[in-house]
Amino acid sequence: GEDVEQSLFLSVREGDSSVINCTYTDSSSTYLYWYKQEPGAGLQLLTYIFSNMDMKQDQRLTVLLNKKDKHLSLRIADTQTGDSAIYFCAERAEYGNKLVFGAGTILRVKS
Amino acid sequence: NAGVTQTPKFQVLKTGQSMTLQCAQDMNHNSMYWYRQDPGMGLRLIYYSASEGTTDKGEVPNGYNVSRLNKREFSLRLESAAPSQTSVYFCASSEGPRVRYEQYFGPGTRLTVT
Repeated sequence: GEDVEQSLFLSVREGDSSVINCTYTDSSSTYLYWYKQEPGAGLQLLTYIFSNMDMKQDQRLTVLLNKKDKHLSLRIADTQTGDSAIYFCAERAEYGNKLVFGAGTILRVKS
Repeated sequence: NAGVTQTPKFQVLKTGQSMTLQCAQDMNHNSMYWYRQDPGMGLRLIYYSASEGTTDKGEVPNGYNVSRLNKREFSLRLESAAPSQTSVYFCASSEGPRVRYEQYFGPGTRLTVT
């Protein structure tokens, strides 16, 4: 079945780069997403990548996809204290109605 | 636009009590979803409604019922609450059920069942 795994915690210093990793099992996944959840709030879509892409860059965010290894990463350049949040990786098949989420990675940014 | 709104924000129930979680969206979206979020786990889909008038089970539907009241509103009902239903519940909506449509999430309802 579908499964998405992420490391649970990452701590970085302000100004450093953060890299959050995710692995997934469903080879039919068409879209892969990164969501951000701040304390007490709902999930906010940060970025997504289509499965026929290797990389997507959006300002400070870079998404890398290794489809062969089913590995997805999110790199945040020049990490700020406002980036402290939980980051969720999610996958979705082309004709599926549901998103399958990982457990989330807590990013803590130290000033 | 308020986006996706949920009420209540917090709720404490005793085992066996019933309640309905409300969700509304003002984006004229066709599809709506209910998820639960538990510590150390990702969000899991409870029920979804691909369009007005239809509802389907998700990954964890047992103990819940839903009603798509109209295009704007999608409610989640717990008929007889159990401690295992202690969780944070998120409603989401999207323009359509296809994968290219982004899901927008509400702020969540934190439910505790004692």
